[in-house]
Amino acid sequence: EDQVTQSPEALRLQEGESSSLNCSYTVSGLRGLFWYRQDPGKGPEFLFTLYSAGEEKEKERLKATLTKKESFLHITAPKPEDSATYLCAVHRGDSNYQLIWGAGTKLIIKP
Amino acid sequence: DAGITQSPRHKVTETGTPVTLRCHQTENHRYMYWYRQDPGHGLRLIHYSYGVKDTDKGEVSDGYSVSRSKTEDFLLTLESATSSQTSVYFCAISSGFEQFFGPGTRLTVL
Repeated sequence: EDQVTQSPEALRLQEGESSSLNCSYTVSGLRGLFWYRQDPGKGPEFLFTLYSAGEEKEKERLKATLTKKESFLHITAPKPEDSATYLCAVHRGDSNYQLIWGAGTKLIIKP
Repeated sequence: DAGITQSPRHKVTETGTPVTLRCHQTENHRYMYWYRQDPGHGLRLIHYSYGVKDTDKGEVSDGYSVSRSKTEDFLLTLESATSSQTSVYFCAISSGFEQFFGPGTRLTVL
């Protein structure tokens, strides 16, 4: 069964304290893994797409990496404005357009 | 900005009443989706559309119907709302493989 699991559920960091969020997946034939950011009361905002193991993408303080079983979202020297819920999703193995979503990691950065 | 609007943004209704949520896009994308988001769950797909009058069920479609008579509009209808349908509803469009989301509708069924 296709499945996406994110950990931890919540993460509290001090400003400047780097860390990583995990997204592990099981899917028959990965066609793409996606990271989104969601602020309270808003829709998810697209961050990255990763297609194959070894691929990396960066945006400001965020870097996403991908292996054959999991993806990491590394946050370097975070700021309070990086506080949000981060969502991970993968394409279903039998579909180009339907995504399977993780439950998200709530990240809180304290000043 | 993906050019997606949802209406209404908030709605309170009573059990047994019909409810229609609207999603409007300005960028002529073929694929459109309706999701619900509940605490402790990932986004769950209700229905999706791959063109005008072409729709299909997602993983949680029971109690919901959809219609798409124009490329830009995708409607979600709860024929007889129940308290279990209290949720936040998001519309999304596909541009390539990525999906882009609207601002959401918070629906409360009393």
